Amino acid sequence: GAGVSQSPSNKVTEKGKDVELRCDPISGHTALYWYRQSLGQGLEFLIYFQGNSAPDKSGLPSDRFSAERTGGSVSTLTIQRTQQEDSAVYLCASTRTGRETQYFGPGTRLLVL
Amino acid sequence: ELKVEQNPLFLSMQEGKNYTIYCNYSTTSDRLYWYRQDPGKSLESLFVLLSNGAVKQEGRLMASLDTKARLSTLHITAAVHDLSATYFCAVDIPYGQNFVFGPGTRLSVLP
Repeated sequence: GAGVSQSPSNKVTEKGKDVELRCDPISGHTALYWYRQSLGQGLEFLIYFQGNSAPDKSGLPSDRFSAERTGGSVSTLTIQRTQQEDSAVYLCASTRTGRETQYFGPGTRLLVL
Repeated sequence: ELKVEQNPLFLSMQEGKNYTIYCNYSTTSDRLYWYRQDPGKSLESLFVLLSNGAVKQEGRLMASLDTKARLSTLHITAAVHDLSATYFCAVDIPYGQNFVFGPGTRLSVLP
């Protein structure tokens, strides 16, 4: 079946612009996670959605970052007024119920010039 | 604060050799996951370890979990070049974000 998809696969933007990154989880998966991975680094947790519960936003690095999940499916991560340090790969993952193997999308590579 | 450590962080080994990657964590957990990431790619699941003493094997890789020692190992037998990748462990926690990842071990298998 279809896996986790993310779009765009690559995004180049200018400092100060806003960007939106999209994640389409596996159908039926109730939990969705966003991570950030800088070049050669590990995974930095950003935000977690579980069903209709309030999201866990504890990993968002600043108020320029926000995310929403509509209808319990597709999620959008928005970065406002992008900075060069926002350049990274943004990974999305989903799980069926929350505490199971995560299935990762291919990531969005963001470059802020 | 939960800490997940991996060692080594970088590992260069010759084909045919054996080696072990260690994942230590600082809180009680009875579930642990191993993932593989190829350069420029996303993460893919390797193993799910669901209880103390669990052992899983796939090809040249074998993972084990000791929840009392808060330690998981990923053992590589007779390494081949195709195993070159970064390996992450992730500890399951029953609250919040559910998973905490280790920093990753970058493995390079040389001919």
